[in-house]
Amino acid sequence: DTEVTQTPKHLVMGMTNKKSLKCEQHMGHRAMYWYKQKAKKPPELMFVYSYEKLSINESVPSRFSPECPNSSLLNLHLHALQPEDSALYLCASSQVGLGNQPQHFGDGTRLSIL
Amino acid sequence: DQQVKQNSPSLSVQEGRISILNCDYTNSMFDYFLWYKKYPAEGPTFLISISSIKDKNEDGRFTVFLNKSAKHLSLHIVPSQPGDSAVYFCAASAGNSGGSNYKLTFGKGTLLTVNP
Repeated sequence: DTEVTQTPKHLVMGMTNKKSLKCEQHMGHRAMYWYKQKAKKPPELMFVYSYEKLSINESVPSRFSPECPNSSLLNLHLHALQPEDSALYLCASSQVGLGNQPQHFGDGTRLSIL
Repeated sequence: DQQVKQNSPSLSVQEGRISILNCDYTNSMFDYFLWYKKYPAEGPTFLISISSIKDKNEDGRFTVFLNKSAKHLSLHIVPSQPGDSAVYFCAASAGNSGGSNYKLTFGKGTLLTVNP
């Protein structure tokens, strides 16, 4: 069982809709990440939060808006998405300040844009 | 510009034999390397990692070897089991000396099939 929980598992939305993806971890990790994965491709980093502050934005379009309300939660707010945004969105978390630490992933939200 | 390359899209081995998955990288700043396993409809699961100060790390059936001069790492699974059948991703990061701002760069993955 994954210790990073993502909801919903599947999401279908129209291009004018507003929706949010949620991620939760209770491992005490203070770094959290959003990745996007297209079919047959590796995960690509979107955002990194460290101690609830945004530290990396990989030039992601503004129709994706991340939020980290507390150390256990990470949201990704979606608005006016395009069909090419259909993908698997993965959340990950890791420890910080202890040397090299692996990132632990959730099972993802499969997003389809109509 | 693909900084982490897994040149074998797929690999098939017999149960009980050794599986060797290979990964090459081009960025000499990478200093931490990881292997992830991914089943369909699940997220990547961390398997094993190695720091650039080491050349080998072992955890049970899994061993990762790092050859810095060749910019090459490999994952050995022995003995291979049917449950090991999955996509294996190699990943690397640079400059992670305990900070949180590190970006994982993934290879495209290798589909391992272990036949009974």
